[in-house]
Amino acid sequence: GQSLEQPSEVTAVEGAIVQINCTYQTSGFYGLSWYQQHDGGAPTFLSYNALDGLEETGRFSSFLSRSDSYGYLLLQELQMKDSASYFCAVGSGYSTLTFGKGTMLLVSP
Amino acid sequence: DAGVIQSPRHEVTEMGQEVTLRCKPISGHDYLFWYRQTMMRGLELLIYFNNNVPIDDSGMPEDRFSAKMPNASFSTLKIQPSEPRDSAVYFCASRTTGAGQPQHFGDGTRLSIL
Repeated sequence: GQSLEQPSEVTAVEGAIVQINCTYQTSGFYGLSWYQQHDGGAPTFLSYNALDGLEETGRFSSFLSRSDSYGYLLLQELQMKDSASYFCAVGSGYSTLTFGKGTMLLVSP
Repeated sequence: DAGVIQSPRHEVTEMGQEVTLRCKPISGHDYLFWYRQTMMRGLELLIYFNNNVPIDDSGMPEDRFSAKMPNASFSTLKIQPSEPRDSAVYFCASRTTGAGQPQHFGDGTRLSIL
């Protein structure tokens, strides 16, 4: 089976940098993804890592270390609109994802 | 382009009633997923289809739950009879074939069973 661990809540101030960690256990690895979900909204895709290293997309970056079964999402230049829940998800098969419980990010002025 | 469309957005009904949730995936996507989200259990995969064929329904909690995909542009998730513990947000998502292709989620159906 698959299991993922991520912090339940992270707080930061506008303009700061925050890192959300994710560790996983899986019998087969098909990549690590990150999704954002605003309160009352739908999860939306942020990034995908299949290989070790850093992927950068604007203010957001995602990192993967397969040997450590570990990844993180890095958010820079935080804005109030970044307040949301962030989910890491591991590919649990070629087509499916298993999601973590999510990290609620609270950005304050 | 239209995203994944779900209906209804909200549903409130009494225990024992039949509930039908509907989903229209993004055109051209050949995978469709049904999820349930609760505070306690997070986002759980219930069932998924590939080219309209159910592939894995091991996440469906009980026989009271059933899902169909009669064609590439429509799927339903049915609960009969409904129970208060079925109260949750139900999401439909679709994606295209290919490693790392993202899942695109609908806005969800917020279901309350009284």
